[in-house]
Amino acid sequence: EAQVTQNPRYLITVTGKKLTVTCSQNMNHEYMSWYRQDPGLGLRQIYYSMNVEVTDKGDVPEGYKVSRKEKRNFPLILESPSPNQTSLYFCASSPRITDFGSYNEQFFGPGTRLTVL
Amino acid sequence: GEDVEQSLFLSVREGDSSVINCTYTDSSSTYLYWYKQEPGAGLQLLTYIFSNMDMKQDQRLTVLLNKKDKHLSLRIADTQTGDSAIYFCAGSIPRGNYGGSQGNLIFGKGTKLSVKP
Repeated sequence: EAQVTQNPRYLITVTGKKLTVTCSQNMNHEYMSWYRQDPGLGLRQIYYSMNVEVTDKGDVPEGYKVSRKEKRNFPLILESPSPNQTSLYFCASSPRITDFGSYNEQFFGPGTRLTVL
Repeated sequence: GEDVEQSLFLSVREGDSSVINCTYTDSSSTYLYWYKQEPGAGLQLLTYIFSNMDMKQDQRLTVLLNKKDKHLSLRIADTQTGDSAIYFCAGSIPRGNYGGSQGNLIFGKGTKLSVKP
């Protein structure tokens, strides 16, 4: 089944304890992205990746790191989590974004609910 | 940059029509999208419209696009309790500098549709 998977689905942690949220897609998509969803703020993009070893900042990258060593995986790393990073996180992938005017359906993972105490 | 605005809540009775509205600032998006987020799940593409169209119909869904007013709407006919979800409109924005403009999606804050039996 074509899908985007995220792990863990739920995580409660404490301030300063490094964590990684994994994201994997089995559709051979080139483009991957991380969003956070907060009440009243909608979805905000954290980082995105156009292809292997190509990553760039989205709208809210502070406090996050990513890597794209393989096409299928795009982990989100919080080196020193803080309570303001408590949120619902979504990973998404897309076949390819060739140019601005292209059709662009993004496929989303089920989400990871993170609580930082 | 692109900004996408939606009202946050809509409540309707089962069997009525629902109309979810969206306004956007940048008229250069070639495609405009509607995504649906069911409780506890990620976003899924519901429908989309190409920017040179005024209307698109897909079973119970009708998308209207008024480019002059930069207004997009989603009408759901005969709304059912299973339609209760958060609906996001989205447009493309140019982002990145990898040999040209690549499109990323920017989402509105989402409209929570509640359907009462």
